[in-house]
Amino acid sequence: ETGVTQTPRHLVMGMTNKKSLKCEQHLGHNAMYWYKQSAKKPLELMFVYNFKEQTENNSVPSRFSPECPNSSHLFLHLHTLQPEDSALYLCASSQDRTGTLYEQYFGPGTRLTVT
Amino acid sequence: KQEVTQIPAALSVPEGENLVLNCSFTDSAIYNLQWFRQDPGKGLTSLLLIQSSQREQTSGRLNASLDKSSGRSTLYIAASQPGDSATYLCAVIVPNGQNFVFGPGTRLSVLP
Repeated sequence: ETGVTQTPRHLVMGMTNKKSLKCEQHLGHNAMYWYKQSAKKPLELMFVYNFKEQTENNSVPSRFSPECPNSSHLFLHLHTLQPEDSALYLCASSQDRTGTLYEQYFGPGTRLTVT
Repeated sequence: KQEVTQIPAALSVPEGENLVLNCSFTDSAIYNLQWFRQDPGKGLTSLLLIQSSQREQTSGRLNASLDKSSGRSTLYIAASQPGDSATYLCAVIVPNGQNFVFGPGTRLSVLP
């Protein structure tokens, strides 16, 4: 596998379910990101991890819980979601967070539907 | 607060035309600017990254320019092809927190 991969690609869950999204990067990068893309809205940054440490939580509700066990893997744990949380969730990585090393590479996304 | 806008929101052109997509940002104090394309329901593909000290970058038929003082970037696509049809997004890195702020995108359709 190359680049940034995300699983599952599609997920349908009820409001009482608990599920997790997985992201893996094969680029040797040190920073990883979760974004939310809703219909007709710009991408919204959710979380940033740099060298496995969370450096940004962009006022995300606690029903979204990130986990970064190492620099290559990033998870987004979901519980008691709302229908308005339905969106495309995108993972990205960058070598670092300065200069040209800050170029971001994105995964294909997980299309989440909350019923 | 940094805001990024993109004009036009949608564009439809015949194959072979040269075209320009526009990106504007409200705060000129940016580090980098990156252009992406996104195919329907897919992730983002990086096209070009321009550092704040640079004025333009080129890759194949694509040329991106940056004018920090006026808060603008343009993406020029030469000899457009149907395969160029996608949504094009620009994003700037803001000094405070050093995070990306994305524009809403321009949806491009190149007709054969």
